[in-house]
Amino acid sequence: NAGVTQTPKFRVLKTGQSMTLLCAQDMNHEYMYWYRQDPGMGLRLIHYSVGEGTTAKGEVPDGYNVSRLKKQNFLLGLESAAPSQTSVYFCASSRNRDTKETQYFGPGTRLLVL
Amino acid sequence: KNEVEQSPQNLTAQEGEFITINCSYSVGISALHWLQQHPGGGIVSLFMLSSGKKKHGRLIATINIQEKHSSLHITASHPRDSAVYICAVPQYSGGGADGLTFGKGTHLIIQP
Repeated sequence: NAGVTQTPKFRVLKTGQSMTLLCAQDMNHEYMYWYRQDPGMGLRLIHYSVGEGTTAKGEVPDGYNVSRLKKQNFLLGLESAAPSQTSVYFCASSRNRDTKETQYFGPGTRLLVL
Repeated sequence: KNEVEQSPQNLTAQEGEFITINCSYSVGISALHWLQQHPGGGIVSLFMLSSGKKKHGRLIATINIQEKHSSLHITASHPRDSAVYICAVPQYSGGGADGLTFGKGTHLIIQP
């Protein structure tokens, strides 16, 4: 099992460019999440998905879009990147929304927007 | 929204010392998670606590639901324990959890 994988690992963008971050999991998990991690702040939830074809906004959704066309994949899109979106992005997945359920994290994508 | 506070933010200790990291939260919960972020960036789940105490090797986690407080202890600390330790609580919505709210983390360095 690969667990949760993320592509790419690192990317540099210019302001206004677009890109898509891919998250894939092979554990047949229903729930998937995108978080961002910034210096001096805890991880913050961007968007999440409760199952194939369903997405919802988290704490900091502005400037991002997501899609979950297949159960194993969760895509995070930046339509017009801004320097404020410079961050490390983590994807996670869990079996269900039980509060005691473990979340499994991907290795992260480091994004720099110039 | 639940506010999660961790202390200390940074901790440097000598190998062998007993380490304590604290976490407090503002809204009652049914579960709390401790995670470890390695220097390379990867995040792994260490414990899920709903009451009492759990032990895994040299790591011990405790929670006091009434006082809204949890602690993570490391006994006989070792340089390989150097990492960021993160406390997280569920974001409740409609009978379940939609994501986690995280503390800012405690950056631990264990010197040989």
